[in-house]
Amino acid sequence: SAVISQKPSRDICQRGTSLTIQCQVDSQVTMMFWYRQQPGQSLTLIATANQGSEATYESGFVIDKFPISRPNLTFSTLTVSNMSPEDSSIYLCSVEDPTGKTYEQYFGPGTRLTVT
Amino acid sequence: SQQGEEDPQALSIQEGENATMNCSYKTSINNLQWYRQNSGRGLVHLILIRSNEREKHSGRLRVTLDTSKKSSSLLITASRAADTASYFCATTGGGKLIFGQGTELSVKP
Repeated sequence: SAVISQKPSRDICQRGTSLTIQCQVDSQVTMMFWYRQQPGQSLTLIATANQGSEATYESGFVIDKFPISRPNLTFSTLTVSNMSPEDSSIYLCSVEDPTGKTYEQYFGPGTRLTVT
Repeated sequence: SQQGEEDPQALSIQEGENATMNCSYKTSINNLQWYRQNSGRGLVHLILIRSNEREKHSGRLRVTLDTSKKSSSLLITASRAADTASYFCATTGGGKLIFGQGTELSVKP
């Protein structure tokens, strides 16, 4: 298994500003994933972050809006840039099973972002 | 885009009753997983069923998979108030999880 922590757990931000969310894992993992969950909705994958390479973004998400860093095998950050109220969501990071034996993913507790 | 649909979107039952949630997906899969989310928090993995399996059990959970119909169901037996949560199915493609819309389950004591 993997234990994941996220900072901050929640924040209220003004439009036009940026917020960086941190994700820390207790095991070394190859891929880390960032998801967005808009109010009352399901999870949508933003991007996949591999250590040592640029993140791979899903359709509808761009690096300028959601820059991602992956400096090592246990840490990643997601920045939500130039925020608008539409960015109000829960942002979650996840990792695959570090043992590589299963396909299950482990999720952080999420960062609840409100943009005013 | 989301992989599939789940129904019902919301389900309210009494403690002790069984809860059944259904999930449909669109593309071929290697496996299908079910996750639980409490009150907008992180997701917890419940169970995984492989494409060559038809049924799987884990405690009070029973999952079925029908690849010909591209559908799966999650049954929670003898529900408890603590089972109140949102439940999501997810399929795996290219190492990525693609989630369904989810079912919000409310179990009343």
